[in-house]
Amino acid sequence: SQQGEEDPQALSIQEGENATMNCSYKTSINNLQWYRQNSGRGLVHLILIRSNEREKHSGRLRVTLDTSKKSSSLLITASRAADTASYFCATDEGGSRLTFGEGTQLTVNP
Amino acid sequence: DSGVTQTPKHLITATGQRVTLRCSPRSGDLSVYWYQQSLDQGLQFLIQYYNGEERAKGNILERFSAQQFPDLHSELNLSSLELGDSALYFCASSFRPGGYEQFFGPGTRLTVL
Repeated sequence: SQQGEEDPQALSIQEGENATMNCSYKTSINNLQWYRQNSGRGLVHLILIRSNEREKHSGRLRVTLDTSKKSSSLLITASRAADTASYFCATDEGGSRLTFGEGTQLTVNP
Repeated sequence: DSGVTQTPKHLITATGQRVTLRCSPRSGDLSVYWYQQSLDQGLQFLIQYYNGEERAKGNILERFSAQQFPDLHSELNLSSLELGDSALYFCASSFRPGGYEQFFGPGTRLTVL
């Protein structure tokens, strides 16, 4: 079953713009992880945010977590064409298995 | 490159056959996970091993089985294959279960004809 639901399902922006993707989930979590997947290829780990953290940064990525609303957001600043990919949130409820959302397809136009 | 390796990259086989997918975790990682990605089901957790022992099971069919060997590599065995088993199968590894990043391999694309 899908725990996380990403919003929007698809996002198209111009290079240099910021991209924001949202993820909502249903149960209590230990941590939430964001991944990127280029067309049909492997999943690249982007960032892990723990349930007691509210915000985390990594390069051009900023992730927030609101456990009271059971939601997270991923912000990519100054986007590049190479950021074109599908982005997934995945929740870890404490058992270590990850439950993935359906993903947001991001297209960055040059 | 995540450091997780999977072989083969592609596998084409017929219904009713049996295949074995292989995964080597990142150096130092003790926990291995298997996931299936298909168009209709999305990314689904199948099974987890930690230091050679099965730790958790997800939506894994009875026709599928897995194991983790003493050298920590893992194999996923799929038998009596059906058309619907066609999917991308990913292996991931983490240092330990419980709150660590999971790093994914490149996947094995299985096509059942």
